Amino acid sequence: NAGVTQTPKFQVLKTGQSMTLQCAQDMNHEYMSWYRQDPGMGLRLIHYSVGAGITDQGEVPNGYNVSRSTTEDFPLRLLSAAPSQTSVYFCASSSRGSSTFGSGTRLTVV
Amino acid sequence: KQEVTQIPAALSVPEGENLVLNCSFTDSAIYNLQWFRQDPGKGLTSLLLIQSSQREQTSGRLNASLDKSSGRSTLYIAASQPGDSATYLCAVTVNQAGTALIFGKGTTLSVSS
Repeated sequence: NAGVTQTPKFQVLKTGQSMTLQCAQDMNHEYMSWYRQDPGMGLRLIHYSVGAGITDQGEVPNGYNVSRSTTEDFPLRLLSAAPSQTSVYFCASSSRGSSTFGSGTRLTVV
Repeated sequence: KQEVTQIPAALSVPEGENLVLNCSFTDSAIYNLQWFRQDPGKGLTSLLLIQSSQREQTSGRLNASLDKSSGRSTLYIAASQPGDSATYLCAVTVNQAGTALIFGKGTTLSVSS
């Protein structure tokens, strides 16, 4: 099925570890974004990209890096995980203003 | 700063009722508004997209309206069913690319049979 694929679905990290959350879309959308969802806070934008090689910061970018080398992939990197980064992470791709979301990665940092 | 508010936070209704979910936003400079559905532990499913120039959109038993000048949108669900039980999220798009969505915190709907 066409859509947005996120891996892994679940991950437990120790404080200070690094990891990359993967996101891939097969709809040839130019635009992609990363959000985190926390209880009581709703979804908040971390980083977004308007095309290969172009990224920008959202509302809560600290502690996260992104790059966009291809149209299909938009990985999110945590360089040194902190407990405050425990959250559910969603990747989305957009076209004509309509966003399609992946199923999410549930990350726990201990 | 754009803020999106959804009222009520939770709603319980018996099967068959028609219901309205409310969404308000503080800045009328939006490109569009989307309603999403989220089931527990799952991702977001787009229900309806209303462009800023439109007044409403319909899909099956769902109807969403947009009044940009007053900063309000409503999602109307007709003849509710237990399968409609989920959290409904409203989001406004604040850039033309659609990469920057500002979300409300959602309304959790429970429909009892």
